[in-house]
Amino acid sequence: SYVLTQPPSVSVAPGQTARITCGGNNIGSKSVHWYQQKPGQAPVLVVYDDSDRPSGIPERFSGSNSGNTATLTISRVEAGDEADYYCQVWDSSSDPLYVFGTGTKVTVL
Amino acid sequence: EVQLVESGGGLVQPGGSLRLSCAASGFTVSSNYMSWVRQAPGKGLEWVSVIYSGGSTYYADSVKGRFTISRDNSKNTLYLQMNSLRAEDTAVYYCARITGEQSIDYWGQGTLVTVSS
Repeated sequence: SYVLTQPPSVSVAPGQTARITCGGNNIGSKSVHWYQQKPGQAPVLVVYDDSDRPSGIPERFSGSNSGNTATLTISRVEAGDEADYYCQVWDSSSDPLYVFGTGTKVTVL
Repeated sequence: EVQLVESGGGLVQPGGSLRLSCAASGFTVSSNYMSWVRQAPGKGLEWVSVIYSGGSTYYADSVKGRFTISRDNSKNTLYLQMNSLRAEDTAVYYCARITGEQSIDYWGQGTLVTVSS
């Protein structure tokens, strides 16, 4: 099965930039999606197809994907960005078909 | 407005069964890919099952042979029949709509399933 590895935690000061990585074998050949989940709430899609943003998501959220690493970047971090973040891919040759990363807790200092 | 509302969660003994429902509004379930995703307490997200618009269904190995995903087009509702439940099935179960890019653009609020004696 396909495995996506994320750092357990990232800490960032307000106004700074947070970068969350998602590692997977040749992940650059897949479309990567990112979700934000706050405590007690359902996840919210923040980036899809590596770098596109759904309507309503601030431009501060951006994504990139190349080689074996995809990255979610949060610029000008705000207190409200504190949450868990998950990457996700779909792989028709994988079992399971839909794979989530291990998750990263972003703490705003 | 798109909405997904799950119901049917609760406490069940090991070996028991439960059926989750997900009532959709604002779009047609049968025209979309629909999925169930679960999250054990304090843990990450785990994909459980998907039903494609054409009716094909797929499952995670952990639930294969025990869970069945289905839909009722007349009620615009998605279901998850869960049999032979185990303690490790304890989780919040989310109903979700999958986009053409294979991301999830809408999630329900989740329903908690607790498997315990």
